[in-house]
Amino acid sequence: LAKTTQPISMDSYEGQEVNITCSHNNIATNDYITWYQQFPSQGPRFIIQGYKTKVTNEVASLFIPADRKSSTLSLPRVSLSDTAVYYCLVGLMSGSARQLTFGSGTQLTVLP
Amino acid sequence: NAGVTQTPKFRILKIGQSMTLQCTQDMNHNYMYWYRQDPGMGLKLIYYSVGAGITDKGEVPNGYNVSRSTTEDFPLRLELAAPSQTSVYFCASSPDLNTEAFFGQGTRLTVV
Repeated sequence: LAKTTQPISMDSYEGQEVNITCSHNNIATNDYITWYQQFPSQGPRFIIQGYKTKVTNEVASLFIPADRKSSTLSLPRVSLSDTAVYYCLVGLMSGSARQLTFGSGTQLTVLP
Repeated sequence: NAGVTQTPKFRILKIGQSMTLQCTQDMNHNYMYWYRQDPGMGLKLIYYSVGAGITDKGEVPNGYNVSRSTTEDFPLRLELAAPSQTSVYFCASSPDLNTEAFFGQGTRLTVV
C-alpha cells in the first residue's frame, strides 16, 4: 500500500512563514492533492487543493513540482491559532484499488 | 445548513456488542466516507461510497459494514465490538472525488 510521508512535528514563531512538505510517490495521474487542518476533538477542515504548479488562496499556498511526487503547504505569517495538525490527502493507486489516504500528519506548534 | 451530522457523539460498548454509527449530510454530495482516528494518529479510511447503492472498502474495513440506501445517509455498522475498535470515527462527504471534503464532528467510541 502506497503511503504519504510528512514530518511528525514542526515549531515556528508567530509571524514566520511555515512550509510543510508531503511525499506521495504513487500519486495517480488524475488525483488532486488536498491539505487539511485539524484541531483537537474536531474533524479535519479543508485548507487548500491543487493539481500542479502553484495554488494560492486567502490562507495558504500550495507548491507542486512537475513530477507531482511531493507537495509543500506554505502558511504565511503564522499566528498562535495556527497550532494544529496538518494532513495531506491524495488518492493513491494500490494495484487496481483506490485508496484515499491521509498522511501521518504534521503537528505544527506556533510559539509566541 | 447543517453539513455533516454524526450521532452519537460518545458511546461505550462492551466487547461483542453491536451498534450503528449514524451519518447524514444535507449537501446532496455523491461521495461519503468513514474514517477512524486512533489517539495521536492520522485518519484511516474504512469505507467509502460514490453514490446511493454503491460502497467500497478502504484501507481498514475489517470488522465494519456500511450501506448507502439514500444520498443523505451512510451508516457504519459494528457487529461484534472489539477493544481494537476503540477510536474516534469521522464521517465526511464531498461532491466529487477530487473536491473538498466536509467532516462531521466525530463519534468517540470506547469498547471495554
